[in-house]
Amino acid sequence: KNQVEQSPQSLIILEGKNCTLQCNYTVSPFSNLRWYKQDTGRGPVSLTIMTFSENTKSNGRYTATLDADTKQSSLHITASQLSDSASYICVVSYPYSGAGSYQLTFGKGTKLSVIP
Amino acid sequence: DGGITQSPKYLFRKEGQNVTLSCEQNLNHDAMYWYRQDPGQGLRLIYYSQIVNDFQKGDIAEGYSVSREKKESFPLTVTSAQKNPTAFYLCASRQGREKLFFGSGTQLSVL
Repeated sequence: KNQVEQSPQSLIILEGKNCTLQCNYTVSPFSNLRWYKQDTGRGPVSLTIMTFSENTKSNGRYTATLDADTKQSSLHITASQLSDSASYICVVSYPYSGAGSYQLTFGKGTKLSVIP
Repeated sequence: DGGITQSPKYLFRKEGQNVTLSCEQNLNHDAMYWYRQDPGQGLRLIYYSQIVNDFQKGDIAEGYSVSREKKESFPLTVTSAQKNPTAFYLCASRQGREKLFFGSGTQLSVL
């Protein structure tokens, strides 16, 4: 069964500190992995996408990594800010003709709280 | 300003009542989706539509209905058959093969 597991479920860090969120998946065949940020009471917004051939990709203070062999991805946040407080959702896609171009499997998210 | 607009932001349903959640997009995307989000749970697919006048059931379609009469609009009706409707509902449209653009969501609660 295709699954996406995220850890930790929640995390509290001090402003200015770094943190790393984990995403493990069993989806196969793998197409790509995307990280979304969801502010409370809002819809998710895409942060970055990782394809099979990519190992690392940065978007400002956010750096995503992907190890396709171990089926693990991480999202590293550097010098955290209060505005980073949100849920971070890992979404893995794979080809599936019955649902259009790609089928998506969502993780449950990691809720990050950055405190002053 | 391009994007996905959901309304209302908050909605209350009485027992036995049908309610409709609105979703409009001006991104010119063909595919649109409805997801349900419960606390501590991942997003679950209710319905999706690849093109106008066509839609397919997702994983949890029971108690819901949709229509796709226009490319821009994909309303979701929560019927009285949905016995546990309290949740945060997200509408999305798709760019390319998998990138989703989400609306701001509708929080539905039962009175």
